[in-house]
Amino acid sequence: ETGVTQSPTHLIKTRGQQVTLRCSSQSGHNTVSWYQQALGQGPQFIFQYYREEENGRGNFPPRFSGLQFPNYSSELNVNALELDDSALYLCASSLDRGQVQFFGPGTRLTVL
Amino acid sequence: DAKTTQPPSMDCAEGRAANLPCNHSTISGNEYVYWYRQIHSQGPQYIIHGLKNNETNEMASLIITEDRKSSTLILPHATLRDTAVYYCIVSWGKLQFGAGTQVVVTP
Repeated sequence: ETGVTQSPTHLIKTRGQQVTLRCSSQSGHNTVSWYQQALGQGPQFIFQYYREEENGRGNFPPRFSGLQFPNYSSELNVNALELDDSALYLCASSLDRGQVQFFGPGTRLTVL
Repeated sequence: DAKTTQPPSMDCAEGRAANLPCNHSTISGNEYVYWYRQIHSQGPQYIIHGLKNNETNEMASLIITEDRKSSTLILPHATLRDTAVYYCIVSWGKLQFGAGTQVVVTP
């Protein structure tokens, strides 16, 4: 157990809908990163939040957005869902930028 | 794209040491070498990391060559529960995962 929790565990949405995924970071960690893992592939970096500010973004369209709260928990929002958004979404927290990242169990999103 | 090259798969006998190679010839001076593993559909699990010195913890040892262009993860006594995909990553900040090495530990 890493102390990083994610909710919900599983989610089914239809194309065009919007979804919000949540992540609680490990106690004392101020940095949260989000990753998308399609079936059979390695995780792909979406973005990172450090002290409530976005601190780097991967090659994902603007309909992927995020938020980090004062308690350092975080949300990932995806608008206008597409079938290819079906994936395991992983959240990782770290003590600070550039430190070891500890992953949560992930949220499995299925878009029909 | 991932900055590391790993063999796609390897088998290991239970109780034996597993040596997992990784090439990272374009590593930058401030980038660390990280190893994670992922058991089917679970979140990746941190194993070990290092900058230029060899490192050891309760899970594994990490051997980094002097020129830092390659490294080896050593699982000293593999068990069936070590069956997983192992990722070697060079990074400072965001983690760029490649395809990893599928390790299967057999009885």
